[in-house]
Amino acid sequence: EAGVAQSPRYKIIEKRQSVAFWCNPISGHATLYWYQQILGQGPKLLIQFQNNGVVDDSQLPKDRFSAERLKGVDSTLKIQPAKLEDSAVYLCASSYTGSNTEAFFGQGTRLTVV
Amino acid sequence: AQSVSQHNHHVILSEAASLELGCNYSYGGTVNLFWYVQYPGQHLQLLLKYFSGDPLVKGIKGFEAEFIKSKFSFNLRKPSVQWSDTAEYFCAVNPYNNNDMRFGAGTRLTVKP
Repeated sequence: EAGVAQSPRYKIIEKRQSVAFWCNPISGHATLYWYQQILGQGPKLLIQFQNNGVVDDSQLPKDRFSAERLKGVDSTLKIQPAKLEDSAVYLCASSYTGSNTEAFFGQGTRLTVV
Repeated sequence: AQSVSQHNHHVILSEAASLELGCNYSYGGTVNLFWYVQYPGQHLQLLLKYFSGDPLVKGIKGFEAEFIKSKFSFNLRKPSVQWSDTAEYFCAVNPYNNNDMRFGAGTRLTVKP
């Protein structure tokens, strides 16, 4: 079975620029997550979708971050404008919805803001 | 919201040594518990998981973890580590029937050959 696909793998931008990341989850997985992993820290949940609806975005900095999953499959995460502290790996994960499920992770996108 | 604590930031062991990595969580209800591993340059992979039943869970590559409900702990163990176990290990928790998964800060394991 194909895994979670993310692109790009790496991105370098200047502060105040905008950037977008793309994620294609495993087929059939209704739940999709975006995590931010800063170097030396564990993944921090930014937003969780179930199908095309947002379940939890309490930790998403909404003044600059946005995410969508319009058709309940692919998702994009956008940062506008980027700050230096946004440098991190952005991980996408997906899972079946239900009580006993595990999340499968993509390779991540490493963002460097200079 | 629940939180996850991993007490060891960096652990250095020699091959064949025994391993125990601590994980505690704060959430009063029923939880699902996970250990993920991230080998250098690779994505997060599931090592083992606990949903219910026997609190001693066996995972891949000889790893196991024990869920102690009274201590809110889910420690990871391996009797004899190998150089190839060098990686970062993350404990994760989500409330039962809720996919809101939260991670600990991770423990970097270095195994010296």
